[in-house]
Amino acid sequence: GAVVSQHPSWVICKSGTSVKIECRSLDFQATTMFWYRQFPKQSLMLMATSNEGSKATYEQGVEKDKFLINHASLTLSTLTVTSAHPEDSSFYICSAISPRGSEKLFFGSGTQLSVL
Amino acid sequence: QKEVEQDPGPLSVPEGAIVSLNCTYSNSAFQYFMWYRQYSRKGPELLMYTYSSGNKEDGRFTAQVDKSSKYISLFIRDSQPSDSATYLCAMTGQRAGKSTFGDGTTLTVKP
Repeated sequence: GAVVSQHPSWVICKSGTSVKIECRSLDFQATTMFWYRQFPKQSLMLMATSNEGSKATYEQGVEKDKFLINHASLTLSTLTVTSAHPEDSSFYICSAISPRGSEKLFFGSGTQLSVL
Repeated sequence: QKEVEQDPGPLSVPEGAIVSLNCTYSNSAFQYFMWYRQYSRKGPELLMYTYSSGNKEDGRFTAQVDKSSKYISLFIRDSQPSDSATYLCAMTGQRAGKSTFGDGTTLTVKP
Protein backbone atom coordinates (compact mmCIF):
# COMPACT_ATOMS: atom_id res chain seq x y z
CA GLY A 1 0.00 0.00 0.00
CA ALA A 2 0.88 3.66 -0.18
CA VAL A 3 3.24 5.04 2.46
CA VAL A 4 2.58 8.15 4.51
CA SER A 5 5.35 9.40 6.73
CA GLN A 6 4.67 11.66 9.72
CA HIS A 7 7.26 13.49 11.81
CA PRO A 8 8.01 13.90 14.58
CA SER A 9 6.54 10.88 16.33
CA TRP A 10 6.53 12.73 19.62
CA VAL A 11 7.28 16.22 20.79
CA ILE A 12 7.37 17.99 24.14
CA CYS A 13 7.17 21.76 24.19
CA LYS A 14 6.66 24.62 26.57
CA SER A 15 3.37 26.45 26.77
CA GLY A 16 3.26 29.37 24.35
CA THR A 17 5.57 27.89 21.74
CA SER A 18 4.59 26.65 18.28
CA VAL A 19 5.04 23.13 17.00
CA LYS A 20 5.11 21.97 13.38
CA ILE A 21 4.14 18.45 12.34
CA GLU A 22 4.93 17.17 8.85
CA CYS A 23 3.00 14.64 6.79
CA ARG A 24 4.56 13.29 3.60
CA SER A 25 3.30 10.90 0.98
CA LEU A 26 6.44 8.99 0.09
CA ASP A 27 5.54 7.11 -3.07
CA PHE A 28 2.53 8.91 -4.46
CA GLN A 29 1.11 12.37 -4.95
CA ALA A 30 -1.62 13.34 -2.52
CA THR A 31 -3.83 16.22 -3.57
CA THR A 32 -5.86 15.80 -0.41
CA MET A 33 -4.68 15.05 3.09
CA PHE A 34 -6.54 15.02 6.37
CA TRP A 35 -5.56 15.94 9.91
CA TYR A 36 -7.08 14.26 12.94
CA ARG A 37 -6.85 14.52 16.66
CA GLN A 38 -7.27 11.53 18.92
CA PHE A 39 -7.71 11.47 22.67
CA PRO A 40 -6.91 8.33 24.68
CA LYS A 41 -9.38 5.50 24.06
CA GLN A 42 -11.39 7.65 21.68
CA SER A 43 -11.81 7.60 17.94
CA LEU A 44 -10.35 9.94 15.37
CA MET A 45 -11.70 13.47 15.29
CA LEU A 46 -11.32 15.09 11.89
CA MET A 47 -9.83 18.56 12.27
CA ALA A 48 -9.38 19.70 8.70
CA THR A 49 -9.04 18.74 5.07
CA SER A 50 -5.84 19.90 3.44
CA ASN A 51 -5.91 20.54 -0.31
CA GLU A 52 -2.76 21.12 -2.31
CA GLY A 53 -2.50 24.71 -3.47
CA SER A 54 -5.55 25.99 -1.64
CA LYS A 55 -6.74 26.81 1.84
CA ALA A 56 -7.58 24.04 4.21
CA THR A 57 -11.18 23.32 5.12
CA TYR A 58 -11.66 23.19 8.86
CA GLU A 59 -14.31 21.23 10.73
CA GLN A 60 -16.72 23.04 12.95
CA GLY A 61 -15.18 24.03 16.25
CA VAL A 62 -11.57 23.83 15.08
CA GLU A 63 -9.72 27.14 15.31
CA LYS A 64 -8.00 27.83 11.99
CA ASP A 65 -5.69 30.41 13.56
CA LYS A 66 -4.67 27.92 16.20
CA PHE A 67 -4.04 25.00 13.88
CA LEU A 68 -2.35 26.28 10.74
CA ILE A 69 -2.33 23.88 7.81
CA ASN A 70 -0.17 24.27 4.75
CA HIS A 71 -0.24 21.93 1.74
CA ALA A 72 2.39 23.54 -0.45
CA SER A 73 3.24 20.50 -2.56
CA LEU A 74 1.65 17.26 -3.70
CA THR A 75 3.67 15.28 -1.18
CA LEU A 76 3.76 17.46 1.92
CA SER A 77 1.21 18.88 4.32
CA THR A 78 2.13 20.53 7.60
CA LEU A 79 0.13 21.24 10.74
CA THR A 80 1.42 23.98 13.03
CA VAL A 81 -0.02 24.22 16.51
CA THR A 82 0.49 27.88 17.37
CA SER A 83 0.93 29.17 20.91
CA ALA A 84 0.42 25.69 22.27
CA HIS A 85 -1.24 25.19 25.65
CA PRO A 86 -1.55 22.07 27.81
CA GLU A 87 -5.07 21.44 26.50
CA ASP A 88 -3.56 21.03 23.02
CA SER A 89 -1.72 17.95 24.23
CA SER A 90 -3.01 15.08 22.14
CA PHE A 91 -2.19 12.51 19.48
CA TYR A 92 -2.31 14.05 16.00
CA ILE A 93 -2.57 11.89 12.90
CA CYS A 94 -2.54 12.70 9.20
CA SER A 95 -3.87 10.67 6.30
CA ALA A 96 -3.89 10.82 2.53
CA ILE A 97 -6.30 9.46 -0.03
CA SER A 98 -5.13 6.46 -2.01
CA PRO A 99 -3.35 7.44 -5.23
CA ARG A 100 -5.97 5.58 -7.21
CA GLY A 101 -8.56 8.06 -6.02
CA SER A 102 -10.64 5.51 -4.19
CA GLU A 103 -11.99 5.89 -0.69
CA LYS A 104 -9.02 4.25 0.96
CA LEU A 105 -7.04 6.29 3.42
CA PHE A 106 -3.42 5.75 4.35
CA PHE A 107 -2.36 7.09 7.69
CA GLY A 108 0.82 8.48 9.11
CA SER A 109 2.18 6.98 12.30
CA GLY A 110 0.94 9.86 14.43
CA THR A 111 2.53 12.53 16.61
CA GLN A 112 2.14 12.63 20.37
CA LEU A 113 2.25 16.27 21.47
CA SER A 114 2.78 17.09 25.12
CA VAL A 115 2.63 20.74 26.14
CA LEU A 116 4.10 21.53 29.53
CA GLN B 1 -27.44 9.75 17.70
CA LYS B 2 -24.10 9.04 16.06
CA GLU B 3 -24.00 8.16 12.37
CA VAL B 4 -21.80 5.17 13.13
CA GLU B 5 -22.12 3.04 16.24
CA GLN B 6 -19.49 0.47 17.02
CA ASP B 7 -19.70 -2.28 19.63
CA PRO B 8 -17.60 -0.73 22.38
CA GLY B 9 -15.83 -3.75 23.84
CA PRO B 10 -13.26 -4.28 25.11
CA LEU B 11 -13.00 -7.84 23.91
CA SER B 12 -10.70 -10.45 25.40
CA VAL B 13 -10.42 -13.83 23.71
CA PRO B 14 -8.09 -16.83 23.87
CA GLU B 15 -5.68 -17.45 21.03
CA GLY B 16 -7.32 -19.32 18.18
CA ALA B 17 -10.80 -17.95 18.82
CA ILE B 18 -13.04 -16.44 16.18
CA VAL B 19 -13.62 -12.74 16.76
CA SER B 20 -16.60 -10.75 15.55
CA LEU B 21 -16.47 -6.96 15.44
CA ASN B 22 -19.56 -5.00 14.48
CA CYS B 23 -20.81 -1.58 13.47
CA THR B 24 -24.19 -0.15 12.60
CA TYR B 25 -24.86 3.05 10.75
CA SER B 26 -27.77 5.32 9.95
CA ASN B 27 -26.71 7.17 6.80
CA SER B 28 -28.01 5.44 3.66
CA ALA B 29 -25.54 7.40 1.55
CA PHE B 30 -22.58 5.40 2.82
CA GLN B 31 -21.21 3.33 -0.04
CA TYR B 32 -17.69 2.40 1.00
CA PHE B 33 -16.87 0.49 4.16
CA MET B 34 -13.47 0.08 5.73
CA TRP B 35 -11.90 -1.58 8.73
CA TYR B 36 -8.71 -0.20 10.22
CA ARG B 37 -6.44 -1.68 12.85
CA GLN B 38 -4.66 0.66 15.22
CA TYR B 39 -1.90 -0.34 17.59
CA SER B 40 -1.33 1.82 20.63
CA ARG B 41 0.20 5.20 19.78
CA LYS B 42 0.33 4.40 16.06
CA GLY B 43 -1.67 5.53 13.05
CA PRO B 44 -4.51 3.30 11.80
CA GLU B 45 -3.70 0.69 9.16
CA LEU B 46 -6.24 -0.23 6.48
CA LEU B 47 -7.27 -3.87 6.85
CA MET B 48 -10.31 -4.34 4.68
CA TYR B 49 -12.18 -2.28 2.14
CA THR B 50 -15.54 -3.15 0.65
CA TYR B 51 -18.05 -1.52 -1.62
CA SER B 52 -21.74 -2.42 -1.35
CA SER B 53 -23.22 -5.47 0.33
CA GLY B 54 -21.53 -8.84 0.49
CA ASN B 55 -18.51 -10.59 1.90
CA LYS B 56 -14.83 -10.05 1.26
CA GLU B 57 -12.14 -12.37 2.52
CA ASP B 58 -8.44 -11.72 2.97
CA GLY B 59 -6.53 -14.41 4.78
CA ARG B 60 -7.91 -14.74 8.30
CA PHE B 61 -10.07 -11.64 7.91
CA THR B 62 -13.58 -11.50 6.47
CA ALA B 63 -15.51 -8.26 6.05
CA GLN B 64 -19.26 -8.45 5.74
CA VAL B 65 -21.62 -5.66 4.69
CA ASP B 66 -25.40 -5.78 4.88
CA LYS B 67 -26.69 -2.50 3.50
CA SER B 68 -30.32 -3.44 3.98
CA SER B 69 -29.72 -3.71 7.72
CA LYS B 70 -27.04 -0.98 7.77
CA TYR B 71 -24.72 -3.39 9.52
CA ILE B 72 -21.09 -4.30 8.91
CA SER B 73 -18.87 -6.88 10.54
CA LEU B 74 -15.26 -7.96 10.62
CA PHE B 75 -14.47 -11.56 11.46
CA ILE B 76 -11.03 -12.71 12.50
CA ARG B 77 -10.37 -16.44 12.36
CA ASP B 78 -7.68 -18.20 14.35
CA SER B 79 -6.95 -15.04 16.29
CA GLN B 80 -3.35 -14.41 17.31
CA PRO B 81 -1.82 -12.30 20.09
CA SER B 82 -0.50 -10.01 17.36
CA ASP B 83 -4.12 -9.20 16.48
CA SER B 84 -4.42 -7.38 19.82
CA ALA B 85 -5.22 -3.80 18.84
CA THR B 86 -8.07 -1.35 18.47
CA TYR B 87 -10.25 -1.92 15.41
CA LEU B 88 -12.05 1.02 13.82
CA CYS B 89 -14.85 0.75 11.32
CA ALA B 90 -15.18 3.61 8.85
CA MET B 91 -17.51 4.47 6.03
CA THR B 92 -18.02 7.15 3.47
CA GLY B 93 -20.40 8.20 0.72
CA GLN B 94 -19.56 10.05 -2.45
CA ARG B 95 -17.13 12.49 -0.97
CA ALA B 96 -13.75 10.88 -1.26
CA GLY B 97 -11.84 10.39 1.92
CA LYS B 98 -14.01 12.17 4.47
CA SER B 99 -14.82 8.99 6.32
CA THR B 100 -16.95 8.69 9.41
CA PHE B 101 -15.31 6.51 12.02
CA GLY B 102 -16.68 4.34 14.78
CA ASP B 103 -15.28 4.79 18.25
CA GLY B 104 -13.23 1.60 18.03
CA THR B 105 -13.21 -1.78 19.73
CA THR B 106 -10.14 -2.84 21.66
CA LEU B 107 -9.30 -6.50 21.22
CA THR B 108 -6.93 -8.54 23.38
CA VAL B 109 -5.96 -12.02 22.28
CA LYS B 110 -4.44 -13.98 25.13
CA PRO B 111 -1.84 -16.66 24.42
